[in-house]
Amino acid sequence: DGGITQSPKYLFRKEGQNVTLSCEQNLNHDAMYWYRQDPGQGLRLIYYSQIVNDFQKGDIAEGYSVSREKKESFPLTVTSAQKNPTAFYLCASSGGGGADTQYFGPGTRLTVL
Amino acid sequence: EDQVTQSPEALRLQEGESSSLNCSYTVSGLRGLFWYRQDPGKGPEFLFTLYSAGEEKEKERLKATLTKKESFLHITAPKPEDSATYLCVHGGATNKLIFGTGTLLAVQP
Repeated sequence: DGGITQSPKYLFRKEGQNVTLSCEQNLNHDAMYWYRQDPGQGLRLIYYSQIVNDFQKGDIAEGYSVSREKKESFPLTVTSAQKNPTAFYLCASSGGGGADTQYFGPGTRLTVL
Repeated sequence: EDQVTQSPEALRLQEGESSSLNCSYTVSGLRGLFWYRQDPGKGPEFLFTLYSAGEEKEKERLKATLTKKESFLHITAPKPEDSATYLCVHGGATNKLIFGTGTLLAVQP
């Protein structure tokens, strides 16, 4: 079955640690995205990539980093510079950029201890 | 400011009681209007894409419609398994998606 997987489902981070969230897709999609979801707010775009080895900052990129070395994979690192990282993180992919339909993974809930 | 506003924020229905969810937007240049369903602790599940005013799409008990500045998600004879948060998303000319905050629907048996 084609789809998007994210791991881990739950992640706990201590203050000052960097953590990496995994996102893999086998939909053969070119574009991939990372969003953050907080209670009472719409999803906010962290980073996106429209092609391998290229990515752009979204609206809230500070304290995050990404890489896109393979078409199937788009990992997100939450660095110690992110002051309020506790949130639900969602990865998505689409066949092209922009307003093409995006399909989401199951999400990773990150909690800072 | 570009905004997508969904109403109501929460809706409680009895099983079989039909209703509609509203999505209005102030963003110009619509390329696509998307509806998703999200269950607690899970990622959004794609439901519909609407591209132009007057377009309608249906799936089981759900029907989405689009006007120039609004979209409606009509739920006919809902069942408890339709309980979820429904998200409206505007895809505009700038290639950016703007998400509404969702309507939390609870259908009681």
